[in-house]
Amino acid sequence: TVVTQEPSFSVSPGGTVTLTCGLSFDSVSTNYYPSWYQQTPGQAPRTLIYNTYTRSSGVPDRFSGSIVGNKAALTITGAQADDESDYYCVLYMGNGISVFGTGTKVIVL
Amino acid sequence: EVQLLESGGGLVTGGSLRLSCAASGFTFSTYAMAWARQAPGKGMEWVSTINHYGNTYYADFAQGRFTISRDNSRNTLFLQMNNLRAEDTAVYYCAKRDKYFFDSWGQGTLVTVSS
Repeated sequence: TVVTQEPSFSVSPGGTVTLTCGLSFDSVSTNYYPSWYQQTPGQAPRTLIYNTYTRSSGVPDRFSGSIVGNKAALTITGAQADDESDYYCVLYMGNGISVFGTGTKVIVL
Repeated sequence: EVQLLESGGGLVTGGSLRLSCAASGFTFSTYAMAWARQAPGKGMEWVSTINHYGNTYYADFAQGRFTISRDNSRNTLFLQMNNLRAEDTAVYYCAKRDKYFFDSWGQGTLVTVSS
């Protein structure tokens, strides 16, 4: 199972960027319980979004999750310099199996 | 506050290694727990999950070589890794599961497999 994300995105400070998370064989829906994680180099992941839309505790509201077309999406509205990170989606496949996406590197410049 | 502290990583030449994850700040016995890993310069990869009943689930690459277990009396999660290969070199993260997602993470422990 391959969960595909864009390799990289550039965004200007204050700008908006939408990252997506797709499946090779199916449309992503809420039934896959998409979640999103932020990781800076050398650090552990940080949970941003779970169950498609819900922000984890302490996550700024400039991060939002949704379904866009046939993919899960993470939107950063009003990007800040410290949003420069790698972002991973995870889809739950059932039977206890989770799959990470390929990851997107977000550059803020 | 949830705290997850991994240990047991290191340099190994083939063979086996056992990772541990000491958990605190929550009722360990009532939550599923998981391991994920990240090879140097690569993306994140789910390894295994154990639910609070003790049911276990594995990624294809881990099936038959890795064993996840838990000791609820010691609030500790384990990952026994056998027949290690160079491609198992990675930082291994312990994570607390909440139904369908990972809601807290440890800082990771580095496993280096030398051939």
